[in-house]
Amino acid sequence: DAKTTQPPSMDCAEGRAANLPCNHSTISGNEYVYWYRQIHSQGPQYIIHGLKNNETNEMASLIITEDRKSSTLILPHATLRDTAVYYCIVRVGQRGGSQGNLIFGKGTKLSVKP
Amino acid sequence: DTGVSQDPRHKITKRGQNVTFRCDPISEHNRLYWYRQTLGQGPEFLTYFQNEAQLEKSRLLSDRFSAERPKGSFSTLEIQRTEQGDSAMYLCASSLAGHYYEQYFGPGTRLTVT
Repeated sequence: DAKTTQPPSMDCAEGRAANLPCNHSTISGNEYVYWYRQIHSQGPQYIIHGLKNNETNEMASLIITEDRKSSTLILPHATLRDTAVYYCIVRVGQRGGSQGNLIFGKGTKLSVKP
Repeated sequence: DTGVSQDPRHKITKRGQNVTFRCDPISEHNRLYWYRQTLGQGPEFLTYFQNEAQLEKSRLLSDRFSAERPKGSFSTLEIQRTEQGDSAMYLCASSLAGHYYEQYFGPGTRLTVT
């Protein structure tokens, strides 16, 4: 599976958009990009995933570059409750096949400041 | 609350003792995963079940670790002869058939081995 690279930390002002980048330059054609976050002392929380088209749900938007070598998770109006570690994960397919595990790196620690 | 639950939330034990953790997944989810997380690191995969079958085990899962999911519902993770290096947060997650990387995590069990 492709490896991902994320900045270790980022700051964002409350109410502004938080743009979290992820580099996955070795991604292959059948690998999806998944985003999770982990608020302090809680389990990780699924946010969104995509293959090549941009995706949006009630939590965030995912923008994947045309060459699929990088992506950006956008939280449109960050709040203090969005302070968390955000993980970008690349995995083959959606159904999991014989593999089921997520591989977490160290993620990006996002601090939303008032 | 119909999310993933874990019990206990905290466990302090002495080195050499056995401990058992329980995870109750979301009821219609057929896959159940165990992860371990140490301070400052992302979660690391341990094992997963599809219904009652244990399909994959990480190399992290030493002989002292055993997991079961006897009726395809709740799961237990037992650690025998605990060591100080076993101190960590143990996370359980579940997912729906066909959406295996959209995993829903419980709050975790924090184990401290003294």
